[in-house]
Amino acid sequence: SAVISQKPSRDICQRGTSLTIQCQVDSQVTMMFWYRQQPGQSLTLIATANQGSEATYESGFVIDKFPISRPNLTFSTLTVSNMSPEDSSIYLCSVEGGEFGGSTSVYEQYFGPGTRLTVT
Amino acid sequence: AQTVTQSQPEMSVQEAETVTLSCTYDTSESDYYLFWYKQPPSRQMILVIRQEAYKQQNATENRFSVNFQKAAKSFSLKISDSQLGDAAMYFCAYNNQGGKLIFGQGTELSVKP
Repeated sequence: SAVISQKPSRDICQRGTSLTIQCQVDSQVTMMFWYRQQPGQSLTLIATANQGSEATYESGFVIDKFPISRPNLTFSTLTVSNMSPEDSSIYLCSVEGGEFGGSTSVYEQYFGPGTRLTVT
Repeated sequence: AQTVTQSQPEMSVQEAETVTLSCTYDTSESDYYLFWYKQPPSRQMILVIRQEAYKQQNATENRFSVNFQKAAKSFSLKISDSQLGDAAMYFCAYNNQGGKLIFGQGTELSVKP
């Protein structure tokens, strides 16, 4: 499976500021995914990031609030802009398993360790 | 729209005993994939087991097995010989081959020594 790292692992930020979260994969991948996990909640997909194209956002998430970059096949960033306390969550990136394990791993996803964001 | 439901917010099991976590889902698709993920306090999401909808045989991974009932849209996880390290939040997830994982609300499992 993939080795995925995220930076920072946690941060405490003031409202109105922005934070950029980095996701690095040890192999080249086509798709990268960004999820949000609000306190005590499940994971919700924010957007899918393909290299060389605009990210595709899920309903309820907009590019102005969560701009995403995908400069190459091993790296992506998610920015949480103009933060409010409601943005306090764990943010996780993931990659699709089929790109590592072949047909026996398609449609499963491997996750990074997450970034715990607290907005005060 | 597809949905995933876990009706047990919390479960508890004695060490070395067996526990079953429930999951139901709603979809009009015939071909899809189901997963169970484990999230310990470290918050790392760990894939536990997968099931392809086209396979009738229930998946098994060591102490973890599933009971997949396609007609009933049910996908439960059985953990045998529970260990203290099994304590975690468990999420059921669905993928209809569209890239997006849809997660249930989670079940927090505690293991008593």
